[in-house]
Amino acid sequence: EAQVTQNPRYLITVTGKKLTVTCSQNMNHEYMSWYRQDPGLGLRQIYYSMNVEVTDKGDVPEGYKVSRKEKRNFPLILESPSPNQTSLYFCASSGSSYNSPLHFGNGTRLTVT
Amino acid sequence: GNSVTQMEGPVTLSEEAFLTINCTYTATGYPSLFWYVQYPGEGLQLLLKATKADDKGSNKGFEATYRKETTSFHLEKGSVQVSDSAVYFCALDNYGQNFVFGPGTRLSVLP
Repeated sequence: EAQVTQNPRYLITVTGKKLTVTCSQNMNHEYMSWYRQDPGLGLRQIYYSMNVEVTDKGDVPEGYKVSRKEKRNFPLILESPSPNQTSLYFCASSGSSYNSPLHFGNGTRLTVT
Repeated sequence: GNSVTQMEGPVTLSEEAFLTINCTYTATGYPSLFWYVQYPGEGLQLLLKATKADDKGSNKGFEATYRKETTSFHLEKGSVQVSDSAVYFCALDNYGQNFVFGPGTRLSVLP
């Protein structure tokens, strides 16, 4: 089954403790992206990657890192999480043609205390 | 730059009512337009799409027509069901320059 898999689904952590949210897709997609969803703000893009070893900042990259060492994986790294990063995070992927839709994971709800 | 505006809601309807959720966009060129739906506790799913002017996307009784002259892509359904309760996002993709999403519209359908 074609899918985007994120882990974990829920994560509670404390300020400053490094964490990684994993994302994997099995559709051989070139494009992958991370979004955060906050009430009243909709979806905001954090980082995206057009292909292996190619990553770029989205609209709200501060406090986040990503890597794209393999085509299927695109982990999101919070080196020193802060409470304002409490949010619902989504990973997504799509094929290379311009009208290819995004496929989303089921989300990771992160709480930073 | 590219942007998407949609009615934020929430929208509350009775079962079998007619639904319209307005969406307008700003973009150069000819973007592809999408509607995504997010059910409680889940990620976004593609509902329908249109890739050029006057195209009509349709799925599960929902329709939207790409209107370049009014830069709009309004979502409609003739008779909503309780199971349609969700958050709906309008989005555009401008030649792979990255998706831009509207703020989402929460729909609640009452039995």
